Amino acid sequence: GEDVEQSLFLSVREGDSSVINCTYTDSSSTYLYWYKQEPGAGLQLLTYIFSNMDMKQDQRLTVLLNKKDKHLSLRIADTQTGDSAIYFCAVVSGGSYIPTFGRGTSLIVHP
Amino acid sequence: NAGVTQTPKFQVLKTGQSMTLQCAQDMNHNSMYWYRQDPGMGLRLIYYSASEGTTDKGEVPNGYNVSRLNKREFSLRLESAAPSQTSVYFCASQEGGEQFFGPGTRLTVL
Repeated sequence: GEDVEQSLFLSVREGDSSVINCTYTDSSSTYLYWYKQEPGAGLQLLTYIFSNMDMKQDQRLTVLLNKKDKHLSLRIADTQTGDSAIYFCAVVSGGSYIPTFGRGTSLIVHP
Repeated sequence: NAGVTQTPKFQVLKTGQSMTLQCAQDMNHNSMYWYRQDPGMGLRLIYYSASEGTTDKGEVPNGYNVSRLNKREFSLRLESAAPSQTSVYFCASQEGGEQFFGPGTRLTVL
């Protein structure tokens, strides 16, 4: 089955850019998602990209997809303290509708 | 539109006690899910239901049962709670590939 990997922690200074990385194993992946989990809350969809796209930009968020390397990244420009949260990568592979989640990356933003 | 709701928010059980976690969604979604979240482990799928009347095991089903009571409601039951079931439990429903999560139930088993 699909395996999704993320690093567990990322620490950045306020105002810098953050880049959260994710790798996956199934080349038939169709939909790739980024979810955000704030403390004490459930996950909320942040953005997504289809497998036929290389890049998607949405205000401060940029998603890059490298299908050859099976690598997905989320860039947050001008990172704010309110961006401190856990970010989950999730991948839906061809033949299944159930997403596989990574373990989540804790983003810590220092003033 | 409340989205996905879960009750209770917090629960403390003694080993061997039973309880049911409730989940409801008002978005008319067919698919619903139960996950547990443990530190460093991410989300692990316990059970899911593709539609009313069907349920299937996920990655970690042992010690749990589920009921898809109707399209809105999907409950998770612990028949005999164990300390290893101390976790945060999330219910989710799905539209297309996007999942919508409830606020979670924090369960402690002593």
